[in-house]
Amino acid sequence: GQNIDQPTEMTATEGAIVQINCTYQTSGFNGLFWYQQHAGEAPTFLSYNVLDGLEEKGRFSSFLSRSKGYSYLLLKELQMKDSASYLCAVWDSNYQLIWGAGTKLIIKP
Amino acid sequence: ETGVTQTPRHLVMGMTNKKSLKCEQHLGHNAMYWYKQSAKKPLELMFVYNFKEQTENNSVPSRFSPECPNSSHLFLHLHTLQPEDSALYLCASSQDREPSYGYTFGSGTRLTVV
Repeated sequence: GQNIDQPTEMTATEGAIVQINCTYQTSGFNGLFWYQQHAGEAPTFLSYNVLDGLEEKGRFSSFLSRSKGYSYLLLKELQMKDSASYLCAVWDSNYQLIWGAGTKLIIKP
Repeated sequence: ETGVTQTPRHLVMGMTNKKSLKCEQHLGHNAMYWYKQSAKKPLELMFVYNFKEQTENNSVPSRFSPECPNSSHLFLHLHTLQPEDSALYLCASSQDREPSYGYTFGSGTRLTVV
């Protein structure tokens, strides 16, 4: 079966750095997405990786290793507003979007 | 506001009621989606419409009935629901079925079935 694993919940301190991991087993791979979802709000697009390596976008970076079936989202200089759920999703070979259950990130002062 | 608007934001309905969820986008997107989001579970794709035609129905019970009258509007008609159908229902849209920039989601309708 197809599966995406990410931690259920993480806690970090304001100003620090946190890394949210995502591992996947899917039938083929056509790209990996990260979304941010604040409580009661719409998921919003953060990043898309299709090639191996690190993509940096301001305080957020996303890394992909296709051979390891692994990605992470790196958040630097954490702010209270970064408290949210972070969803990992993978396009399989049929462009079906397979979703993880999300990681709830709690930022403490 | 993301450009995808869902109404109502909250809905409480009895198991014998009939209600409809509405989704509207004016982004010029051609594909629209209904997702179910339950606590601590992955998003579940329910229906996909591409150019107003339903292209996917992921084994969704017939008590959920989608309608796409035009490329800007999507409805989800609900009847004789069960308590386990209580969840956040998200609508999303994209320019086409394989967008590298992802989907644009609405804020969802929080549905409670009593």
